Amino acid sequence: DTGVSQDPRHKITKRGQNVTFRCDPISEHNRLYWYRQTLGQGPEFLTYFQNEAQLEKSRLLSDRFSAERPKGSFSTLEIQRTEQGDSAMYLCASRHSRDTQYFGPGTRLTVL
Amino acid sequence: AQSVSQHNHHVILSEAASLELGCNYSYGGTVNLFWYVQYPGQHLQLLLKYFSGDPLVKGIKGFEAEFIKSKFSFNLRKPSVQWSDTAEYFCAVNAQSNTGKLIFGQGTTLQVKP
Repeated sequence: DTGVSQDPRHKITKRGQNVTFRCDPISEHNRLYWYRQTLGQGPEFLTYFQNEAQLEKSRLLSDRFSAERPKGSFSTLEIQRTEQGDSAMYLCASRHSRDTQYFGPGTRLTVL
Repeated sequence: AQSVSQHNHHVILSEAASLELGCNYSYGGTVNLFWYVQYPGQHLQLLLKYFSGDPLVKGIKGFEAEFIKSKFSFNLRKPSVQWSDTAEYFCAVNAQSNTGKLIFGQGTTLQVKP
C-alpha cells in the first residue's frame, strides 16, 4: 500500500504524559498537513509543511503541541502534558502541488 | 474567515431513494471545493472535487455535485442510493491563494436502509 500511513493507530495515555505520533506521507508528496477531528465534527486544520518548512500553524495548536518534518519526509506531532481535551482523532494528509489531499487512517488518542 | 456549513447532520434513506446533501461555504475569493467520504472503519477518501470549468462535476460511485457560485453552494447528489453508501460525508473548501489547508463542514451521516 503506497498511501499515507500513521503510527500508532490508537494511543491511550494518562493526563500529563507526553505523546508522539508519526505520519509517513505518500512518497514525492512535498506538502503535509495535520488535522484534528473530534466526535461529530469535521477535521480541523492544525499545521502545514511544505518540504521541511512549517509554513502555517492554527491557533488550535497551543504551545503544548509541536510538529516537525525533518528532511521533508515523515512528520511527527508531539503533545506535551496531555489534557483530556486533547482526546481526538489526529489525521495526517499529504499532496503534491495542485493535487488533492490524501488522508491517512488517523491516530485515535484517548487521554484518561 | 472561511467556514463551511452542511445543513443535514443525519439523513436516513431507503435504498433507491435519491440523495441531496447541502453544503454552503463562506469565502469571498476563488475556492476549490471537495466532497470526502468516510465509510465505517475506513479513512477519509475523496469523492469528487471542483477546481474550475464545468460546475457540474462527477465523482466515484455515481455521485455528482454542482457548484453554484452565486449561492456559494456545492451540493452533493446521487439519483439512487445503495446500502453501501452508508457513510459520513464531508464537504470541504480551500482558498486557491493559500496553503491548501482544507476547511471542513461538520459532516453528514447517511444511513441507507436495505
